[in-house]
Amino acid sequence: AQTVTQSQPEMSVQEAETVTLSCTYDTSENNYYLFWYKQPPSRQMILVIRQEAYKQQNATENRFSVNFQKAAKSFSLKISDSQLGDTAMYFCAFMKQGSGGSNYKLTFGKGTLLTVNP
Amino acid sequence: KAGVTQTPRYLIKTRGQQVTLSCSPISGHRSVSWYQQTPGQGLQFLFEYFSETQRNKGNFPGRFSGRQFSNSRSEMNVSTLELGDSALYLCASSWGDRGNSPLHFGNGTRLTVT
Repeated sequence: AQTVTQSQPEMSVQEAETVTLSCTYDTSENNYYLFWYKQPPSRQMILVIRQEAYKQQNATENRFSVNFQKAAKSFSLKISDSQLGDTAMYFCAFMKQGSGGSNYKLTFGKGTLLTVNP
Repeated sequence: KAGVTQTPRYLIKTRGQQVTLSCSPISGHRSVSWYQQTPGQGLQFLFEYFSETQRNKGNFPGRFSGRQFSNSRSEMNVSTLELGDSALYLCASSWGDRGNSPLHFGNGTRLTVT
């Protein structure tokens, strides 16, 4: 079974600054995907960024980037130029890769509540 | 393209009753999954359906069941409600047959059991 750990229950950052959210995971799988989702007060879970484990290059989406360390089983999210709209709960999630139904299941961490202050 | 639609947004039920939640996936998506979100347990996987077949199930009691229709819409049913079933229930859809297809979530149904 997979586990995902987010060790920072809450974080805060000033607007326009950079913040890094931590995530570690445990798995015996070699092929998998990792995701960061954000959940604002509107409750909808929004995909921020995803990483395929077989890719060594870290994923980037505009102001969001990850630091993926496969050997260390670490997957941190860096948010640059933080904006007030980034205030949300952030969840790290794991999904196995493979055919069939077993892979369409996300294992989530407990989340990190990020507050961006003006 | 319309997103994942969940109805109703809020529900209040009493212990012992049953409830049905509905989820309409993004057009073309054939996989629908359900998650329960509570402050204590976080986000937990309930089950996943693909082309009307349940492919995967989480560790929940048999009171939790679901189904998927030929148009990919899905319903989740909880019978004999308990106080601990109070939660936000999230539905997610994806293509379901493409390896790196991400899950797209709806706004959830907030269920309160009194």
